[in-house]
Amino acid sequence: QKEVEQNSGPLSVPEGAIASLNCTYSDRGSQSFFWYRQYSGKSPELIMFIYSNGDKEDGRFTAQLNKASQYVSLLIRDSQPSDSATYLCAVNPSGTYKYIFGTGTRLKVLA
Amino acid sequence: DTGVSQDPRHKITKRGQNVTFRCDPISEHNRLYWYRQTLGQGPEFLTYFQNEAQLEKSRLLSDRFSAERPKGSFSTLEIQRTEQGDSAMYLCASIPVSLNTEAFFGQGTRLTVV
Repeated sequence: QKEVEQNSGPLSVPEGAIASLNCTYSDRGSQSFFWYRQYSGKSPELIMFIYSNGDKEDGRFTAQLNKASQYVSLLIRDSQPSDSATYLCAVNPSGTYKYIFGTGTRLKVLA
Repeated sequence: DTGVSQDPRHKITKRGQNVTFRCDPISEHNRLYWYRQTLGQGPEFLTYFQNEAQLEKSRLLSDRFSAERPKGSFSTLEIQRTEQGDSAMYLCASIPVSLNTEAFFGQGTRLTVV
């Protein structure tokens, strides 16, 4: 079992729709969870981080964390073509300061 | 621009040659990470430093790879006797010492081994 798992996609949504991206992790003691966006050929850039169970909203983005089920999700409302990118989930497992990334989900927002 | 600088941005080398990459983190960031990313994959952890101490190294990292952060500022990653499988984007990230903080990534060094 991989430490952080994501569906590689592509996930295609029409412009203006809600995009839902999911991530599961294996280490139950993980404390910190991050969503990064990566455009082709570029380095990852942080969208959101979340530490506590529940929802965290920032503009069009909402991160959801469920530690009991060991998943974290990212919702993108009113999706725009400029949101088309790969979205990486990263987790900080317990007992270490390293960040483990999933393989990323490729999102395509169709105009 | 995140403030993390990597050099060079691109490197093409022949198989068997040694290469060295440099990362200059954000100045007040104590923790520095190296990751490797291949096409279609997420960044893969290689190693990290807190100040000048190398605290963790991936088991996937062969003996051909070595990293240093001599004065707790910039870091270098050296790959000896490069192989075609080393072709990847090498990413550096820095973080302040407090936990639960985002990693700021540099633009990466793209290595092509021919």
